Amino acid sequence: DAKTTQPNSMESNEEEPVHLPCNHSTISGTDYIHWYRQLPSQGPEYVIHGLTSNVNNRMASLAIAEDRKSSTLILHRATLRDAAVYYCILITYSSNTGKLIFGQGTTLQVKP
Amino acid sequence: DADVTQTPRNRITKTGKRIMLECSQTKGHDRMYWYRQDPGLGLRLIYYSFDVKDINKGEISDGYSVSRQAQAKFSLSLESAIPNQTALYFCATRGDSSPGEAFFGQGTRLTVV
Repeated sequence: DAKTTQPNSMESNEEEPVHLPCNHSTISGTDYIHWYRQLPSQGPEYVIHGLTSNVNNRMASLAIAEDRKSSTLILHRATLRDAAVYYCILITYSSNTGKLIFGQGTTLQVKP
Repeated sequence: DADVTQTPRNRITKTGKRIMLECSQTKGHDRMYWYRQDPGLGLRLIYYSFDVKDINKGEISDGYSVSRQAQAKFSLSLESAIPNQTALYFCATRGDSSPGEAFFGQGTRLTVV
């Protein structure tokens, strides 16, 4: 399974944009890039996913490098409620794969 | 009702006891997963199942077993609990088709004394 590499922690100020990087240099052509976040004392929740093109939804944006070896989750205006652990994972959509392996993630601290 | 329900939410058990953690989902998904999370660490995959007849070991299956009783139910058992199995356990489910968003339960906090 292709692995991802993320910084252990990042800090941001409230109301400012946050760019969370993820490296996945061994990504295959059938791997989708997914982001999840885990708020304190809760299970992870889906944030966004993409394959090749940049994606936007109500929670965040996902910028994918042209060679797909890295991606960046963008929170446009961080709030205190965005303080969480953010996981970047790769998922292959085929019948015999898709184990959904999590790395250590990036702990985001948001300062008021 | 929650999409994924785990029971119990908290459990304290003694070393050597058998314990079962239960998970049920209302999403109609075939894929289900069990993870454990230790303090300050990420999630590690214990077992996963792609349908009722397809069960696979994950990264850390030793000391655990699972049962997929139905599409909606996936149970995790600790046959003889030991203290280093003290952790937060999460169940998840995911659909086959894109986007294949995964849904997680609220977790079971297990303490083995």
